[in-house]
Amino acid sequence: NAGVTQTPKFQVLKTGQSMTLQCAQDMNHNSMYWYRQDPGMGLRLIYYSASEGTTDKGEVPNGYNVSRLNKREFSLRLESAAPSQTSVYFCASSGQISYNEQFFGPGTRLTVL
Amino acid sequence: DQQVKQNSPSLSVQEGRISILNCDYTNSMFDYFLWYKKYPAEGPTFLISISSIKDKNEDGRFTVFLNKSAKHLSLHIVPSQPGDSAVYFCAASAPFSGYGKLTFGQGTILTVHP
Repeated sequence: NAGVTQTPKFQVLKTGQSMTLQCAQDMNHNSMYWYRQDPGMGLRLIYYSASEGTTDKGEVPNGYNVSRLNKREFSLRLESAAPSQTSVYFCASSGQISYNEQFFGPGTRLTVL
Repeated sequence: DQQVKQNSPSLSVQEGRISILNCDYTNSMFDYFLWYKKYPAEGPTFLISISSIKDKNEDGRFTVFLNKSAKHLSLHIVPSQPGDSAVYFCAASAPFSGYGKLTFGQGTILTVHP
């Protein structure tokens, strides 16, 4: 049982480049989430998917797109990276009953130069 | 607009003593509160939660207290252990705000000295 896995662990991009952060969970959870963590800001929700086939904006969605590929996988895409998107990105998932108790992946540290 | 605030960026405690981490919120619609713990280079892990219909919830060494009138919650760790050294985030959710949508505080770094 790997839980929530994220790839890559680290990434350096130049301004304007694009990339996709991958996330997968093996807990048969319905809901999945993408957060970013910045110093002094805590974790902020970017997008979430309450169930397969649905996605909704969170607190800071600008500059990002998401795809809920299937029940297991939820990807986050940066179409044109900006230095303000330098952050640590966490994917999380939760089950149908205790949906607030989220399980987090190890994170992706992204630097945009 | 920071709806969930942890005003202490850090806390230092001696092993065996009590650690008290505080969290304030402004949104009166929040009805469920959680604490997460995060070690460096790892994702946060769920620690303990409390519903607004309660004012206290215990799980082993961890107790969360909720004061709805003051819009304040606290996490007590007794006794504190060096392995408790981590960043602690409080989080809150409101009904009908979105399935599993959590609002997090900024985090408090707890250091427990042997």
